[in-house]
Amino acid sequence: EADIYQTPRYLVIGTGKKITLECSQTMGHDKMYWYQQDPGMELHLIHYSYGVNSTEKGDLSSESTVSRIRTEHFPLTLESARPSHTSQYLCASSEDKRNTQYFGPGTRLTVL
Amino acid sequence: SQQGEEDPQALSIQEGENATMNCSYKTSINNLQWYRQNSGRGLVHLILIRSNEREKHSGRLRVTLDTSKKSSSLLITASRAADTASYFCATDAGTSGSRLTFGEGTQLTVNP
Repeated sequence: EADIYQTPRYLVIGTGKKITLECSQTMGHDKMYWYQQDPGMELHLIHYSYGVNSTEKGDLSSESTVSRIRTEHFPLTLESARPSHTSQYLCASSEDKRNTQYFGPGTRLTVL
Repeated sequence: SQQGEEDPQALSIQEGENATMNCSYKTSINNLQWYRQNSGRGLVHLILIRSNEREKHSGRLRVTLDTSKKSSSLLITASRAADTASYFCATDAGTSGSRLTFGEGTQLTVNP
């Protein structure tokens, strides 16, 4: 089991709410990633970070934002959730050399 | 479209049979990785094969890589019901530092 954690695991909220999805890892990895995945579909990279104070947008345009103030913590925020944001959000981290990614259990978000 | 494309999309076999999944990609790579995802969970790294390797084994897993055809295959021998999951290939192109591009996945069902 990888030492990477996501909370909450499940979240059901109404349209217009602000939410923050938490992701933490205790492996000391510099690189962290957020993916969006619809059921049975491929993963889409939405944000990534190479270290503290470094954040980049991924391949899939997303209205979410991220921050990286501490190495172990990479939260994702939606300022105003909409039903189109309903999806599973997966956080991952990787060590420098092999680029093997370690995934958290995911947060399944439903916006009503 | 995604770098990695996998086939079949879904595969159903009996326990004890072998399962083969294929992945094709479009650009040059540093390495190719296979991941497994149980329903509703994060991904778990299975095996990594470098671009200068042709075959790699890990337990009941065998991965091949043909860079001339830009394709890879994952063979699971003597499958078990517990192998039921989605399997994704991911390519590391070595550019844009440490980002992986995931395929669409193969849903494997192993019937007891």
